[in-house]
Order: sequence, then structure tokens, then C-alpha cells
Amino acid sequence: AQKVTQAQTEISVVEKEDVTLDCVYETRDTTYYLFWYKQPPSGELVFLIRRNSFDEQNEISGRYSWNFQKSTSSFNFTITASQVVDSAVYFCALSEATGANNLFFGTGTRLTVIP
Amino acid sequence: DAGVIQSPRHEVTEMGQEVTLRCKPISGHNSLFWYRQTMMRGLELLIYFNNNVPIDDSGMPEDRFSAKMPNASFSTLKIQPSEPRDSAVYFCASSPQGFSGNTIYFGEGSWLTVV
Repeated sequence: AQKVTQAQTEISVVEKEDVTLDCVYETRDTTYYLFWYKQPPSGELVFLIRRNSFDEQNEISGRYSWNFQKSTSSFNFTITASQVVDSAVYFCALSEATGANNLFFGTGTRLTVIP
Repeated sequence: DAGVIQSPRHEVTEMGQEVTLRCKPISGHNSLFWYRQTMMRGLELLIYFNNNVPIDDSGMPEDRFSAKMPNASFSTLKIQPSEPRDSAVYFCASSPQGFSGNTIYFGEGSWLTVV
């Protein structure tokens, strides 16, 4: 069965600090896709990144970077030099190649960046 | 480009009343999803359409919930009669194609309160 675990319920950092949000997943599929979404206080869900199971190359986008490691079934998200605007709930999600086109979400990590 | 458009953004209704939530997916997307977000259960898929046809409605809580997609640019989620436990944020989302792994883009959500 598929599962996404975000063990960190809440994290607080001071502005300009780096922060890493952890995501561990479980799946029996060999082909799957991993996602991160951001939910700011306004409530919408904003897509950040999609990664397929065959691409373990880490990705950097500005202050955001993602570390995908199949050996540990982890897809961690790091924000460098955090800013107050980064305050949000961040969700990791998994989609499997078999079955319906569905996203299985983790429970989210609430990040608060203190000015 | 317009994203997924949902209405109403906020709705407060009395128990027993009918509630209709509306969604316009991103133009050209042929998969549409309704998700519900609550504190207790997090984000969960209610129903998924592909090319206007319901593919997976196993997440629909009970017969009080129904969803339709009469055409490629419009969907409704109806609750009749509504109950206080239906209070949640209901997200509509769409993706370009019907197979797993495509990025799913979410609307801003409809915040429902049933009193």
C-alpha cells in the first residue's frame, strides 16, 4: 500500500536560516511520481515540483532544492535562506503508475519563518 | 493563463440544506479531481473524472455526495442534505492527461461551513 510520511508536524526557523522538510514514502510500484505542494495561509495548493522514480538527480530552483534518494525512499525539500513568505504548510505527495491517477498526500509540515 | 476556478470561495449553510460547489478546470485538461481537506483526514480524493466520465468515486463519503461533469469545462459537487461533519475545504483540480504521474493543478478551494 502507498503511504507518505511527513514526520515533522511543525517547524519554526528564523529568517535567513536554511530548513529541510522531510518526506518518506512507501510504494510497491517501480514507477511512481513524487510531488511537493505549498499551501500558504491564503489556502490554495501551489505545485512546486514533480519527480519520477527513474530520475534521482537532485534539483535546484532558486532557493529551493530537492533531494531524492530511492535507497532511503525519501524526497526531502530544502529552503535556503528562508524568508517570511515561505511560511506555509508544505505537502509531499505520491502518485503510482498503476491504478487511478491519484495523489496520496502526506499530512503536511507547517513552516513558520520568524522575521 | 487561467488556473482552476472554483466557486463559491466561502459558503456557510445550515444543516439539511443543499450545497453545490462549482469548478472550471484548466482549458485543455481532460482529468478533473475533487479533493476534500479536513484537519482529521488531511487531503483525500473524493472523485476523479477523465474525459468527463467518472473513473473512480470510491472516495465519495456517502450517497449525500454527488458529482457531475456535463462537459469538459464544468463540474459540480453537490451535497444534499448537508451535515456539520461536511465542513471542510473542497478542492477541485485538473491535469492534462488521464494517466498517472501528471501534475495535478489545484483551484483555490471552496471553504464550506455547515452549521
